Amino acid sequence: GDSVTQMEGPVTLSEEAFLTINCTYTATGYPSLFWYVQYPGEGLQLLLKATKADDKGSNKGFEATYRKETTSFHLEKGSVQVSDSAVYFCALSSGTYKYIFGTGTRLKVLA
Amino acid sequence: ETGVTQTPRHLVMGMTNKKSLKCEQHLGHNAMYWYKQSAKKPLELMFVYNFKEQTENNSVPSRFSPECPNSSHLFLHLHTLQPEDSALYLCASSQAPGLAGVFEQYFGPGTRLTVT
Repeated sequence: GDSVTQMEGPVTLSEEAFLTINCTYTATGYPSLFWYVQYPGEGLQLLLKATKADDKGSNKGFEATYRKETTSFHLEKGSVQVSDSAVYFCALSSGTYKYIFGTGTRLKVLA
Repeated sequence: ETGVTQTPRHLVMGMTNKKSLKCEQHLGHNAMYWYKQSAKKPLELMFVYNFKEQTENNSVPSRFSPECPNSSHLFLHLHTLQPEDSALYLCASSQAPGLAGVFEQYFGPGTRLTVT
């Protein structure tokens, strides 16, 4: 079945450092891919999405490119802030009601 | 109210209690979902409703009973739970997937459930 694999956390960075959180997937067909973010005490919020190969999703300085050849959707940000500290989830959906989530990667940004 | 709301935000219950979780969405979506979020585990999809009809039940124990009276409201009735059911229960909604594609989900803040 479909699955999503994310890098283990926590990831600890200094403010203004470059961020990469790896995400790879296995799926039949051509899924849509998502990154969600969860701040403490809150539900998940959509950060960005991509619906087909080579699409780049972007929002709030975060970017991820749908790479079909490597089945990846890595999240990047050029300069993180303390306010980016949260848990990040990679997810996919293949057009059904099932959204498959990774285990989440906790990011801690130090001032 | 906007978005997806959930009540209560925190719930402590004994194993013999009966309680209910409530979710309401103000986004005009057709599909609603219950997820269980436990530490160091992927989100577990529990139930899906589309236009008030249950479309998914991922082998959830019968001590969890969902109810969807209309497209805006979703309940999760709980009875005789076990300590391992302690978790964050998240409600989400979306447009129903179909020919127009796959739509992102919108999540509520969750109910933190502790079973003693």
